[in-house]
Order: sequence, then structure tokens, then C-alpha cells
Amino acid sequence: DQQVKQNSPSLSVQEGRISILNCDYTNSMFDYFLWYKKYPAEGPTFLISISSIKDKNEDGRFTVFLNKSAKHLSLHIVPSQPGDSAVYFCAASAGEYGNKLVFGAGTILRVKS
Amino acid sequence: GAGVSQSPSNKVTEKGKDVELRCDPISGHTALYWYRQSLGQGLEFLIYFQGNSAPDKSGLPSDRFSAERTGGSVSTLTIQRTQQEDSAVYLCASTRTGKAEQFFGPGTRLTVL
Repeated sequence: DQQVKQNSPSLSVQEGRISILNCDYTNSMFDYFLWYKKYPAEGPTFLISISSIKDKNEDGRFTVFLNKSAKHLSLHIVPSQPGDSAVYFCAASAGEYGNKLVFGAGTILRVKS
Repeated sequence: GAGVSQSPSNKVTEKGKDVELRCDPISGHTALYWYRQSLGQGLEFLIYFQGNSAPDKSGLPSDRFSAERTGGSVSTLTIQRTQQEDSAVYLCASTRTGKAEQFFGPGTRLTVL
């Protein structure tokens, strides 16, 4: 059973516009969420995270929103840049420290110039 | 370098052979994780080491898989009697004490013929 789901396999966005990547989870024990970005032949790179005690966390062009009641989070990238083209993974853990991450299948983002 | 390193970067083996994959975590990171990513899938947790505690082996898919971490640093993931379904990218990650963000290595691409 998939505890973390990214239902959009791919997303295409024009440069300068907003990219919105979505993620749903089913396990109520998850209380810490992370987004990773992955380029081909490289390991995932940490982007941004959010604890369940918050509903928003912002870092530069990246903002993550968490809706606990809906078990849904989203990553907003604005403005999108061609260098943002990559695979984006949503991940969740039960407990903030020292726990395994459960990953979604990823969303391929293509930013067109 | 300062990041997580893994070797080899690519490994092609014949079905039934044993393989060893190596991970060098970031210096000073106390926690080490192994994941694997099969084609078109998200990352799947395999095993987690934290300091001198007993490892969390709950993600290992069969008893053909084992891992050890020597001296609290380098880790080796061993797959015995490899099968074609073991073909995947094997990723290692590490974290500092008290931090949730995991830093990933570039992975080892394993192909079992």
C-alpha cells in the first residue's frame, strides 16, 4: 500500500510561472514532511521541510503548504526556472528525528523557456 | 569531498552472484540509511543505523539482504544470490544527530542479468 502518493507523474510549466506539486498521505502517524529534488544520475537533494505543527514553510522561491485534515501537502515554486526541471519527491516520517522516510513515486517537472 | 559517497557507481552482475555496495557517510553524521529505487518507483527504505543502537532492518526485502556499519562510519550492503528483481539504484543517506534532513549519495546502479 502506498502511504505517500504523488498522483501526477509529470508537470509542464512555462518559465516564470508557478509550479505546484502535490502529495497525499494516508498514515496519520506522519508528522514531518520533506521535499527532495533529483537530477538524473544523482542522489536526491533536500529542498524544504515542514513539521505538522505548521501549515506553511517558505524558503526563497519554494513554499510548502500542509493541510493536515486533508492529509495533503503541496510544493509551490515561483517563479519557475528551467534549472528547476527535475524529479520531485515528497517524503514523510513519523517523528522528526532519526526515522526512515517514506517516499512518493515522484513528479517529473519540466520548465519550458 | 564533503558529501555522501558510494561505490561502485555501476555494478553489473549475473543472477546468483553476491554483490557488495559501499557507502561513506558525511563525517560526523551518526545516522545512516539505505534505500533503493526501482525503475519508475519512489525510494524504498531498506535499513537504518543510528550510533551503537541495533539497526532497523524492517525494510530488507529478504534474508538475502544484509548490511553492516563498521566503526560507526562506513556501511556495506550485501546482496547474496542476486535475482533480476534486485536490479535498482541503491541509495545511501546520512544525517546529523537531532536533524531530520537526510543527505543522499549518488547511488549505485545494480543490474542483475
